[in-house]
Amino acid sequence: EVILTQSPGTLSLSPGERATLSCRASQSVIGDFLAWYQHKPGQAPRLLIYGASTRATGIPDRFSGSGSGTDFTLTVTRLEPEDFAMYYCHQFGSSPQTFGQGTRVEI
Amino acid sequence: EIQLLESGGGLVQPGGSLRLSCAASPSIFSNYAMAWVRQAPGKRLECVSAITVTGGSTFYADSVKGRFTISRDSSKNTLYLQMSGLRAEDTAIYYCAKYSHRFWSGYHIDYWGQGTRVTVSS
Repeated sequence: EVILTQSPGTLSLSPGERATLSCRASQSVIGDFLAWYQHKPGQAPRLLIYGASTRATGIPDRFSGSGSGTDFTLTVTRLEPEDFAMYYCHQFGSSPQTFGQGTRVEI
Repeated sequence: EIQLLESGGGLVQPGGSLRLSCAASPSIFSNYAMAWVRQAPGKRLECVSAITVTGGSTFYADSVKGRFTISRDSSKNTLYLQMSGLRAEDTAIYYCAKYSHRFWSGYHIDYWGQGTRVTVSS
């Protein structure tokens, strides 16, 4: 199975700053089939990015995804207060589909 | 609006059974594959089971194979997860999730429910 390792575990930033989150796969992600989700306590996770770089419907353009193969990045330019949350990557190119352990973006 | 509402979680003894339900918006249920994804305390998200729109193809994680059964009832727009032989390690929040396509293989999850908590303990 493809193991996804996210780094850093926690990112301490201030509103207005830039966040760069990494997701590294133990083997190449087929088709670059990688998604990013945002998750806040007590809420449903929200899809941000799929196909490594395609923003989901309604997602602000301050969120962007990049990368291919084994190295992927989620960038949030100019953090807004509502962006402080957990972020997970998810590969869906091979079975079993797997998730990273998450990065917490905190103030 | 797409809504996924889980129910059926609770406290159950080891070896016991529980059935989770996920009521979905009618507009989506008949067109998309669905899944149950769980997160145990301190662990990463794990896709435990998935099912295609017709129910003709299913996936089970090795950790639940032979103990859990996924099914869907299109007349009720409801997804189910029948869990038996429950173990302490099945303790988790279980999320209902919708795929972006009729099949789950090679497609991403685009909507999630808020989850239902399952605790396996004596």
